[in-house]
Amino acid sequence: DADVTQTPRNRITKTGKRIMLECSQTKGHDRMYWYRQDPGLGLRLIYYSFDVKDINKGEISDGYSVSRQAQAKFSLSLESAIPNQTALYFCATSDLSFTTGELFFGEGSRLTVL
Amino acid sequence: KNEVEQSPQNLTAQEGEFITINCSYSVGISALHWLQQHPGGGIVSLFMLSSGKKKHGRLIATINIQEKHSSLHITASHPRDSAVYICAVENYGQNFVFGPGTRLSVLP
Repeated sequence: DADVTQTPRNRITKTGKRIMLECSQTKGHDRMYWYRQDPGLGLRLIYYSFDVKDINKGEISDGYSVSRQAQAKFSLSLESAIPNQTALYFCATSDLSFTTGELFFGEGSRLTVL
Repeated sequence: KNEVEQSPQNLTAQEGEFITINCSYSVGISALHWLQQHPGGGIVSLFMLSSGKKKHGRLIATINIQEKHSSLHITASHPRDSAVYICAVENYGQNFVFGPGTRLSVLP
């Protein structure tokens, strides 16, 4: 099994629908991230969490919300999806017990909003 | 100006060629990461470095902290190296900033 698992892997939905992307990890890492990838752009941070009680906005949090249900689970919600939220979404984890940490990514969730 | 820039954007090489991908950044960092994204979309970490040079098989990564520059080299390139290579900088344990990626195609 993958260390970081995202569901669903692909989703097509309509404008205005509520969508949830789920992420679970078996790495035991405290830090979890949600990123969005668009063609020609670098990964952009939506939200991040450093532990179960900690939620922080990233650079593009508008239109999104998150929930950290447990150390291993971090879900991303689009309350009312719009077409410009069509993108590839990645969950990632890192262990920053030390000064720097390696990133571990899920396989991505491709979302299309019609 | 983006905080992390990569060059070239796209690169096509013949199998066996030596390849260099460059990354420059404008912020203070605690570490620099090189990632590989295959056509299926998954992203894996190749290197994490804060100084000097690291080698893993045919891949070599170097960083010059004073110049704020890193290079990823691939020796004896192979079609299976075809992927998008992403440079990311880590700013003192708080967050990561990603470059736009370099798309590499290695032709047989």
